[in-house]
Amino acid sequence: EVQLVESGGGLVQPGRSLRLSCAASGFTFNDYAMHWVRQAPGKGLEWVSGISWNSGSVGYADSVKGRFTISRDNAKNSLYLQMNSLRAEDTALYYCAKDKYSTGLYYFDYWGQGALVTVSS
Amino acid sequence: DIQMTQSPSSLSASVGDRVTITCRASQSISSYLNWYQQKPGKAPKLLIYGASSLQSGVPSRFSGSGSGTDFTLTISSLQPEDFATYYCQQSYSTPRTFGQGTKLEIK
Repeated sequence: EVQLVESGGGLVQPGRSLRLSCAASGFTFNDYAMHWVRQAPGKGLEWVSGISWNSGSVGYADSVKGRFTISRDNAKNSLYLQMNSLRAEDTALYYCAKDKYSTGLYYFDYWGQGALVTVSS
Repeated sequence: DIQMTQSPSSLSASVGDRVTITCRASQSISSYLNWYQQKPGKAPKLLIYGASSLQSGVPSRFSGSGSGTDFTLTISSLQPEDFATYYCQQSYSTPRTFGQGTKLEIK
């Protein structure tokens, strides 16, 4: 059974840093790209960042570029999101999602339950 | 970046109704369009990928169509468990943008 379990969320002051983790199990982690998607309270889904299976390709939303860094450790089956210079507008539930590639198509076939990040003084 | 626009933003319908949600991309995305369902307090769930392929385990009352810039998600006969928010997402390019969501409510 595929499982994605996020951790590391919490309350943090504006300008500070936080590191999210996503522990993966039930599939061959190093075969798949992974992503972070966030959802502000009462709002829609926003893609934040993605990383290829071998960390050779990464991408960021403009809203977090230069502040957030995505990484992974395939030996530990783990995905990370280092968030620096946090702002109130980064307050959200952060999901990690597994990227499936099949017959030329890409889609997020599994999601974690999310880690809540609250940025407030 | 590719912008995804869903309509309507909210929709009231009854059990048994046929419902259609539309999604428009700001440029052609071929068939790189996915649909997700999200219930309150839960993670999104994949329904449709590649515009029209039904994810394993998803009831056949859900269907998707379209290509290029215009797409639709259709629920042929609404069931009580279908009342949720639906999101489209393009996987043609990074960033993998989502539509703003369509909240399907009970009439």
